[in-house]
Amino acid sequence: AQTVTQSQPEMSVQEAETVTLSCTYDTSESNYYLFWYKQPPSRQMILVIRQEAYKQQNATENRFSVNFQKAAKSFSLKISDSQLGDTAMYFCAFKVYNTDKLIFGTGTRLQVFP
Amino acid sequence: DVKVTQSSRYLVKRTGEKVFLECVQDMDHENMFWYRQDPGLGLRLIYFSYDVKMKEKGDIPEGYSVSREKKERFSLILESASTNQTSMYLCATHYMTSGTYNEQFFGPGTRLTVL
Repeated sequence: AQTVTQSQPEMSVQEAETVTLSCTYDTSESNYYLFWYKQPPSRQMILVIRQEAYKQQNATENRFSVNFQKAAKSFSLKISDSQLGDTAMYFCAFKVYNTDKLIFGTGTRLQVFP
Repeated sequence: DVKVTQSSRYLVKRTGEKVFLECVQDMDHENMFWYRQDPGLGLRLIYFSYDVKMKEKGDIPEGYSVSREKKERFSLILESASTNQTSMYLCATHYMTSGTYNEQFFGPGTRLTVL
């Protein structure tokens, strides 16, 4: 069975600073995908960034980037130049290739302070 | 843009009532999902459907059932609501393509309180 662990229930960062959210996972599969989703307060969950396990290059989307360490089964999210609008719950998620089920971590609540 | 809507943002029901949560999507996606979200537990899959009238149990199906009579609509049913079903319920959808990592699109959620 696959599991996803987010060990930081809450984090805070000052505006314009950089913050890293941790995620580890456990699987015996070799082909899979990893995702970070963002859930702003009272708003819909949206995809932030995704990574295919076979790709060695870390995914980047503007201020968001990941550090994917396949051997260590680690998938952290780095947010650069944090903005107030980054305040949200962040979920790490995992999906085996050719399946439909997403497995979520327990989430990290990020607060960005002015 | 994909639009996923849920029938209510907030719902209060009494123990023993039958509760219907509705989810509608406008993008002709095959797969639809129901999750519940609880603090410290993340999102847990209740049921999903990959086609009309097809359903599969997720990780926590007990106490729930689902209905998918039309492709765009996926309903979650609590036959006899209990207080431990007080939670945030999220619907999601995605287009089924083999071997791709297409994202799931989420609705705004329904916060259900069972008294």
